[in-house]
Amino acid sequence: DSGVTQTPKHLITATGQRVTLRCSPRSGDLSVYWYQQSLDQGLQFLIQYYNGEERAKGNILERFSAQQFPDLHSELNLSSLELGDSALYFCASSVQQGTEAFFGQGTRLTVV
Amino acid sequence: AQSVTQLDSQVPVFEEAPVELRCNYSSSVSVYLFWYVQYPNQGLQLLLKYLSGSTLVKGINGFEAEFNKSQTSFHLRKPSVHISDTAEYFCAVSESTGFQKLVFGTGTRLLVSP
Repeated sequence: DSGVTQTPKHLITATGQRVTLRCSPRSGDLSVYWYQQSLDQGLQFLIQYYNGEERAKGNILERFSAQQFPDLHSELNLSSLELGDSALYFCASSVQQGTEAFFGQGTRLTVV
Repeated sequence: AQSVTQLDSQVPVFEEAPVELRCNYSSSVSVYLFWYVQYPNQGLQLLLKYLSGSTLVKGINGFEAEFNKSQTSFHLRKPSVHISDTAEYFCAVSESTGFQKLVFGTGTRLLVSP
């Protein structure tokens, strides 16, 4: 158990819908990262937050957004979902930038 | 920008045999290097990391890796594999400064058979 909790574990939804994925980082970790794992794109960095502030953006679509709340948990919002958004979404956390990142078990999103 | 190449998409090996999973990286700045393992339906678990110092890094489950700066490689090795080592292995790189997002390779599936 990495200490990073992601909910839900599985999510099935229809095209055009909006979903929210939630991540609770390890106790004391200030940095949260979101990654997408798909068969065609592999593991792709989406976005990073540090202590509530956005710090880095990767290949994140405009339909996707994220935030980190004062209690340090983070949410990834995916809207206007398409079939191609089906993937495993991972959250990772680290104490601070540059230290080891611990990954959650992921949320498997299936868009039908 | 960084990139990672894992040359082998799949490596079949017999139990108790040695294995090497290859990883090459590209970067114009100083980097940290990592190997993660993903078991079926699981998240990513850190096997080992190279930040600085000794180029031979030992990790969990008997794995080790050697950082070779001149060849920009970070190959993962294990002298004797077990059935339980069957999993997907990902090499990753991050800048040693800045925001340290991880850039992953495409992964190598290690298949250990009896």
